[in-house]
Amino acid sequence: EPEVTQTPSHQVTQMGQEVILRCVPISNHLYFYWYRQILGQKVEFLVSFYNNEISEKSEIFDDQFSVERPDGSNFTLKIRSTKLEDSAMYFCASRGTEYEQYFGPGTRLTVT
Amino acid sequence: QKEVEQDPGPLSVPEGAIVSLNCTYSNSAFQYFMWYRQYSRKGPELLMYTYSSGNKEDGRFTAQVDKSSKYISLFIRDSQPSDSATYLCAMKGGGNKLTFGTGTQLKVEL
Repeated sequence: EPEVTQTPSHQVTQMGQEVILRCVPISNHLYFYWYRQILGQKVEFLVSFYNNEISEKSEIFDDQFSVERPDGSNFTLKIRSTKLEDSAMYFCASRGTEYEQYFGPGTRLTVT
Repeated sequence: QKEVEQDPGPLSVPEGAIVSLNCTYSNSAFQYFMWYRQYSRKGPELLMYTYSSGNKEDGRFTAQVDKSSKYISLFIRDSQPSDSATYLCAMKGGGNKLTFGTGTQLKVEL
């Protein structure tokens, strides 16, 4: 069964450093998303991406964040200058023509 | 008032019990309703997806949506220890994003 994959599973970085989180969505999907979940809190929407552009973003997704689909398979989230409060699980999701979103296993980001 | 409210639990039931999980919401624009299961430190796994009001059944799982009451439910029949997880409700209106509840932690005991 096709699934969303994410790398790395765990990323440790120092405050102020740039990180890139990587995702490979399900192959025939066209809509891509990033969500995050701070430990003990709910899953929160960050951004949606369709047809090579951002279609919607939340207040959390400020100028420190960017997304890119550099090739036909990868979808990345970049955080330019990480803060302690960026520590969270980051989930990539994708969907096809139906509305169900399928999530990856997540990347645990720890900012020290 | 939060957009989506969900009792965090924990909810503990004996094996074989019928489990009822619920969410309420305030945003009338929500039309698509989903239930996800999440094991500790893992990604949400889609269980059920429903559009608008009504019931949907898949194996031991039944999802119900009552838009007039802004209330959704997930029922699990013949619960198993492997059903022990956090159950997240999620909703979508006309935009792209899913809005999640906080999740209900379920423990099914032998």
